[in-house]
Amino acid sequence: DADVTQTPRNRITKTGKRIMLECSQTKGHDRMYWYRQDPGLGLRLIYYSFDVKDINKGEISDGYSVSRQAQAKFSLSLESAIPNQTALYFCATSDPVGASGDTQYFGPGTRLTVL
Amino acid sequence: GENVEQHPSTLSVQEGDSAVIKCTYSDSASNYFPWYKQELGKRPQLIIDIRSNVGEKKDQRIAVTLNKTAKHFSLHITETQPEDSAVYFCAASMSFGNEKLTFGTGTRLTIIP
Repeated sequence: DADVTQTPRNRITKTGKRIMLECSQTKGHDRMYWYRQDPGLGLRLIYYSFDVKDINKGEISDGYSVSRQAQAKFSLSLESAIPNQTALYFCATSDPVGASGDTQYFGPGTRLTVL
Repeated sequence: GENVEQHPSTLSVQEGDSAVIKCTYSDSASNYFPWYKQELGKRPQLIIDIRSNVGEKKDQRIAVTLNKTAKHFSLHITETQPEDSAVYFCAASMSFGNEKLTFGTGTRLTIIP
């Protein structure tokens, strides 16, 4: 689904570095989400935003921050990366008042490795 | 908050046979239950969902059943095919204003030719 894009797709960094993962969407959805995926743990919600002025913590927000620069852009930052933040990160969007309802549309993912 | 448990974590099924994946949830206020499929190296995609006002929903070879009293729901895939091999995630949320999904830990389904 090219409507939701993430950059970079892969990133290797070192402990202590600041990292920003970016998500852009052309679906016109108000709601955006950041998840991390770890083997055996499923998808866990980091932060979510229901509109440009709304930011909410998910179940695992410690060590992360986000910025909703516009309806179409939602960035995730790791201020000081640590090895246990090595994971696959997904951005998602939804539009509950539109035709797609509660369906969440995921980006292609960013594989982050922290050494 | 909501807690979703999913079983089994891995499942191998002979091609043509049926596969069943089960999930339980903890919050009785949850009323929306989607299933996502994630093929190897790909993003999760919605395959079917059910709301708490219905007990079963079908879409060709896949179906989902919901038991609100027991707080569990299941995914059924019939006549399995090789392209059904993937990781499947169940999820739960309160719909209509709070679409914050809580996902299960996933089931890796392998279809044996």
